[in-house]
Amino acid sequence: DAMVIQNPRYQVTQFGKPVTLSCSQTLNHNVMYWYQQKSSQAPKLLFHYYDKDFNNEADTPDNFQSRRPNTSFCFLDIRSPGLGDAAMYLCATSAGTSGLLTDTQYFGPGTRLTVL
Amino acid sequence: DAKTTQPPSMDCAEGRAANLPCNHSTISGNEYVYWYRQIHSQGPQYIIHGLKNNETNEMASLIITEDRKSSTLILPHATLRDTAVYYCIGHNAGNMLTFGGGTRLMVKP
Repeated sequence: DAMVIQNPRYQVTQFGKPVTLSCSQTLNHNVMYWYQQKSSQAPKLLFHYYDKDFNNEADTPDNFQSRRPNTSFCFLDIRSPGLGDAAMYLCATSAGTSGLLTDTQYFGPGTRLTVL
Repeated sequence: DAKTTQPPSMDCAEGRAANLPCNHSTISGNEYVYWYRQIHSQGPQYIIHGLKNNETNEMASLIITEDRKSSTLILPHATLRDTAVYYCIGHNAGNMLTFGGGTRLMVKP
């Protein structure tokens, strides 16, 4: 089955220690998204890639970076995690096909990050 | 600005229809009404979307009022596994998904 995969499902890191979360997709979608979801809150978009074009949300902290080496993979790098960065990180994809009026997003299961 | 308003919580008896309302009087004419749900500790799951007409799929039905100011998601026979937070979102290919507070649906035996 085509899907969005996130590894690991649970990640523990230390305060200030860089951490990388990964996402892969078998849907061959053009667009990949990263969301942050803190406890009891709605998901919040951090940034997205349209193919190789990176689009950062205005209020995403500089501490968060992303890489997309190819169509299938996208990484979220947190350079110096703080206690406030503990959250569920969700990856999503959408087709992003030109001319479409709408673009449904499909989400992975998420990675829950704990910062000690 | 999520542009949609939903009740924060609802209860539904198992086996009965769950009708989840959403007000979206400020979404633009080319924005589709999308519904996602998020079961505890999982990623959001796409349910259904529509523009003007009512829609039905294997998961749910979506009823959109003629003036497009509101809609109702219908789960025809709710089960305990339908307990989740349900998000109603106005969205098209030109903008990003903006999640609001959603409705926490509790299906009870």
